[in-house]
Amino acid sequence: EPEVTQTPSHQVTQMGQEVILRCVPISNHLYFYWYRQILGQKVEFLVSFYNNEISEKSEIFDDQFSVERPDGSNFTLKIRSTKLEDSAMYFCASSGPRGGEYEQYFGPGTRLTVT
Amino acid sequence: SQQGEEDPQALSIQEGENATMNCSYKTSINNLQWYRQNSGRGLVHLILIRSNEREKHSGRLRVTLDTSKKSSSLLITASRAADTASYFCATLSTDSWGKLQFGAGTQVVVTP
Repeated sequence: EPEVTQTPSHQVTQMGQEVILRCVPISNHLYFYWYRQILGQKVEFLVSFYNNEISEKSEIFDDQFSVERPDGSNFTLKIRSTKLEDSAMYFCASSGPRGGEYEQYFGPGTRLTVT
Repeated sequence: SQQGEEDPQALSIQEGENATMNCSYKTSINNLQWYRQNSGRGLVHLILIRSNEREKHSGRLRVTLDTSKKSSSLLITASRAADTASYFCATLSTDSWGKLQFGAGTQVVVTP
């Protein structure tokens, strides 16, 4: 069964460093998302992406964040200058041709630890 | 505003019993989705129910939706130890294309 994959599974970085989290969505999906979950808290929406554009973003997704689909398979989240409060589990998700009207399938997550 | 609040926060049952958890939300929704998360792991999609549906089944799962009360319930029948996990509801508001809003989840422990 097709699944969303994410790399790395765990990333440790120092405050102020740039990180890139990578995702490979399900191959025939067209809508892509990033969410994060700070330990013990709710899963929070960051951004949605369709047709090489951001379609929606939350207040969390400020100028320090960017997303890109550099090729036909990868979808990345970049944090330019990490802060301690960026430590969280980051989930990538994708959904089919009708976007949010259909199921969003999540990857296993990347645990980001900022020291 | 908070969306997708589950109750109870925690539920402890024995194998074979049914587990019921509820979700309330505030806005008009397009659909509501239930997810399972094992400790420290990813989110597994369980079931999606649309705003024009009232009930849906998938294996041992039964989901109901009452849009007049802005609430949903997830019933797991004949629970197994492997059902031990956190369960989240997530709503897609009618004014959003893809932003799911998650609740805090119900932590379910099934003891053999």
